[in-house]
Amino acid sequence: QQQVRQSPQSLTVWEGETAILNCSYEDSTFNYFPWYQQFPGEGPALLISIRSVSDKKEDGRFTIFFNKREKKLSLHITDSQPGDSATYFCAARSANSGTYQRFGTGTKLQVVP
Amino acid sequence: DAGVTQTPRHEVAEKGQTIILKCEPVSGHNDLFWYRQTKIQGLELLSYFRSKSLMEDGGAFKDRFKAEMLNSSFSTLKIQPTEPKDSAVYLCASSLEQGAAERLFFGHGTKLSVL
Repeated sequence: QQQVRQSPQSLTVWEGETAILNCSYEDSTFNYFPWYQQFPGEGPALLISIRSVSDKKEDGRFTIFFNKREKKLSLHITDSQPGDSATYFCAARSANSGTYQRFGTGTKLQVVP
Repeated sequence: DAGVTQTPRHEVAEKGQTIILKCEPVSGHNDLFWYRQTKIQGLELLSYFRSKSLMEDGGAFKDRFKAEMLNSSFSTLKIQPTEPKDSAVYLCASSLEQGAAERLFFGHGTKLSVL
């Protein structure tokens, strides 16, 4: 059973547009939500993260919006660039599971020039 | 920059063979993970070690998959016997147990093809 779900599976946007990637979860004990970015042939790398006490986290062009009540979050990439083309994974961790993180199935983003 | 090192980068095996994948975590990290990555399932946990002790193993993978931490700086994942459905990318990751460093550091992965 997938505890972390992502949508859409793939997304294409034009350069300069805002890409919105969605994530939802089921386990109410999850309190930390990192997003990872993965390029072909490489392992995922941390992009940005948020804790459940916050409802928004911003880092440059990347912003996470978090809705604890609905158990949903989204990653917004503003002014998308071709270099942002990658697969993005939403992950979740609970306070009592050490550093173990559960991952969604990913969203493959393509930014067209 | 000594990140997570995985070898080999690619592995081709015949059905029924035994293969061993290797991982060296970031120096000083005490948590180590093995994940399997496929397009359909995403990243699935195979094993989670803390200070060389097995904390969790992916229940569905118990029968033919065995991960070990021989010491704090080296881990192996054995698949025996391999099946075509095992074709995937196997990722190793490490992390610090405590502190603000809650990110997982991933290796480049080993792409396994089972014929």
